[in-house]
Amino acid sequence: NAGVMQNPRHLVRRRGQEARLRCSPMKGHSHVYWYRQLPEEGLKFMVYLQKENIIDESGMPKERFSAEFPKEGPSILRIQQVVRGDSAAYFCASSTPRGGGETQYFGPGTRLLVL
Amino acid sequence: GEDVEQSLFLSVREGDSSVINCTYTDSSSTYLYWYKQEPGAGLQLLTYIFSNMDMKQDQRLTVLLNKKDKHLSLRIADTQTGDSAIYFCAESMQDTGRRALTFGSGTRLQVQP
Repeated sequence: NAGVMQNPRHLVRRRGQEARLRCSPMKGHSHVYWYRQLPEEGLKFMVYLQKENIIDESGMPKERFSAEFPKEGPSILRIQQVVRGDSAAYFCASSTPRGGGETQYFGPGTRLLVL
Repeated sequence: GEDVEQSLFLSVREGDSSVINCTYTDSSSTYLYWYKQEPGAGLQLLTYIFSNMDMKQDQRLTVLLNKKDKHLSLRIADTQTGDSAIYFCAESMQDTGRRALTFGSGTRLQVQP
C-alpha cells in the first residue's frame, strides 16, 4: 500500500508564473489536507477537501491560491502569479474517517522556490 | 483561539532519555499527535493520544497528557543518533468538526554520540 505521493518534489518558478502541486492520497483515503511550512516554522493548515468538495478552506490565502480534488486523479494545489513569499514546503496529508477518530498521513512534500 | 507551543531545541547524549514538551490552549482538543520530521523529508506519525487518556506507551515512546494543565510530553527512552530530527506536536478538535491539525513550531532534538 503506497503512501501519500506528491509531485514534483522540488519546483522552481519565477515571479508571476503559476505553480501546480499534485497529491495522490493513500489508497482508500477520501480526505486530503494541504499544509504549508515556511522555513524554520511549523506547518500551517491551508485547505481540507473530499472528492469534488472543499470542506474547509479557512487557511487559504484569499487570492491566487486554489485547490481541487476531482472525482478521478490527484488533488491539485494551484498558486497563480507566484511571489517570493510563496517559497515554502507544501505538504499534503490524507486520511479516512473512523469511529475512533482519524489520523493524517503525510506525503514527502513539494518544496517550492520562487526566484 | 488555538495555539500550540514547544521549546525550540533539546540536546541529549546517546543512551539518555529525551523529554519533549508541548502546551496547548484549546480545551476542545480531542486528539494530540507527535510527528517526526527529518531534514528534507515529510512528517512521520510517531504516536497519538486521545484526550481522555493520561498516558500511552509504544516501545521507546511514552506520551503523557495533563489535561488540566494542557501539557503534553513525549519521552524517548534510550535515545539514539537516528532520533535526531524535529518533533512536532499537533492537536485536532474532531468532536467539534475541525479536523485540521494545529501544529507547534517544532522541537529540534540533537543527539550527541
